[in-house]
Amino acid sequence: GENVEQHPSTLSVQEGDSAVIKCTYSDSASNYFPWYKQELGKGPQLIIDIRSNVGEKKDQRIAVTLNKTAKHFSLHITETQPEDSAVYFCAASINPRAGANNLFFGTGTRLTVIP
Amino acid sequence: DAGVIQSPRHEVTEMGQEVTLRCKPISGHDYLFWYRQTMMRGLELLIYFNNNVPIDDSGMPEDRFSAKMPNASFSTLKIQPSEPRDSAVYFCASSFGGSAKNIQYFGAGTRLSVL
Repeated sequence: GENVEQHPSTLSVQEGDSAVIKCTYSDSASNYFPWYKQELGKGPQLIIDIRSNVGEKKDQRIAVTLNKTAKHFSLHITETQPEDSAVYFCAASINPRAGANNLFFGTGTRLTVIP
Repeated sequence: DAGVIQSPRHEVTEMGQEVTLRCKPISGHDYLFWYRQTMMRGLELLIYFNNNVPIDDSGMPEDRFSAKMPNASFSTLKIQPSEPRDSAVYFCASSFGGSAKNIQYFGAGTRLSVL
């Protein structure tokens, strides 16, 4: 099955700086890569996603890049703010329309933005 | 929509007791997932259903765990008998399989403590 690795496990940045979280996956059939943010006491919530036919996607201060050849994808947060502090999970999915609809999650990155 | 609703939010029980966790998925969603989250193992998929039918239960740790989905709007995860190592946060998530994406919406979780 799919194996998703995520680094770093913890990340501290000064407010206003950028944060980058990286993930690799093992199965070249994976074609959908979401990122989830989990705040304290809450469930993970989708913040951005990318499909394998796209190399980069941006949404305000958040961007995700995908390198299919190298099988890795990254989350970039610019101009970080204290409210960005949370645990971030990457995930990979193999062809949702093929019937297998489960996500394979990375181990999470605890991001702390220092005011 | 109210989102995925889980109950109870917190459960404290003694070793050997039966524990039942409940989940109401988002109306119209045809996939339902149960996850377990611990510091050591991260976010683990336990089981998922499609149209109320269990599709993959390979993540269920052992026979003490069972899950049911009697209808499209309700699912339970039961642990009997419970053990201290079952202490974790259990999440339920749901998604719509007719979408090209595999966006899973998570509930707020049930924090289980087995003493």
